[in-house]
Amino acid sequence: QSALTQPASVSGSPGQSITISCTGNSSDIGAYNYVSWYQQHPGKAPKLMIYEVSNRPSGISHRFSGSKSGNTASLTISGLQTEDEADYYCSSYTSSYTLLFGTGTKVTVL
Amino acid sequence: QVQLQESGPGLVKPSETLSLTCTVSGGSFSSYYWAWMRQPPGKGLEWIGYIYYSGRTNYNPSLKSRVTISVDTSNNQFSLKLSSVTAADTAVYYCAKLERWGMDSWGQGTLVTVSS
Repeated sequence: QSALTQPASVSGSPGQSITISCTGNSSDIGAYNYVSWYQQHPGKAPKLMIYEVSNRPSGISHRFSGSKSGNTASLTISGLQTEDEADYYCSSYTSSYTLLFGTGTKVTVL
Repeated sequence: QVQLQESGPGLVKPSETLSLTCTVSGGSFSSYYWAWMRQPPGKGLEWIGYIYYSGRTNYNPSLKSRVTISVDTSNNQFSLKLSSVTAADTAVYYCAKLERWGMDSWGQGTLVTVSS
């Protein structure tokens, strides 16, 4: 199974909104609403930001939102802040009962 | 909030078996799936496999021939064994709790280096 495709990097200025895409196929993202997004700061463990496409765990800022259309999921960060600078990974459940991560996106706050 | 902690050797020789244990505390162990992931230095995350508390497993097809995940419900632990390791298996290994197919609690990670 090949990794889900994400842009290598996305950048934005403080206060702006950015969107990170995550592209799969009809056997993973397109088949289920089990897309999750993770934030990872350097040297730290990943942190769940979004689950089931668009749900936020308790304590996660409303500035983070998720959506899906067909085989592509997206994470939008609104009102970009310096602490949002990190790596972001998507993941999806697949029709083979496995999990698949995205290639990862480095978010830079200019 | 559940806490997870990985433990095991930080150095493994090529061709040997990597063994790690994840200890779960502060929450229920039963009725959940538990997962292992890894991240080579400077690279992205890779899912290794998961186990249900009852013992049902599923593995990454690319690692399936070398991976075994087991569970010890009496001690709230689950374990990873990866055989015939090479330098390509050098990575930070994470354990996590699965909920609705997202990993909502993670261990801090442990670096395992494969070298003679």
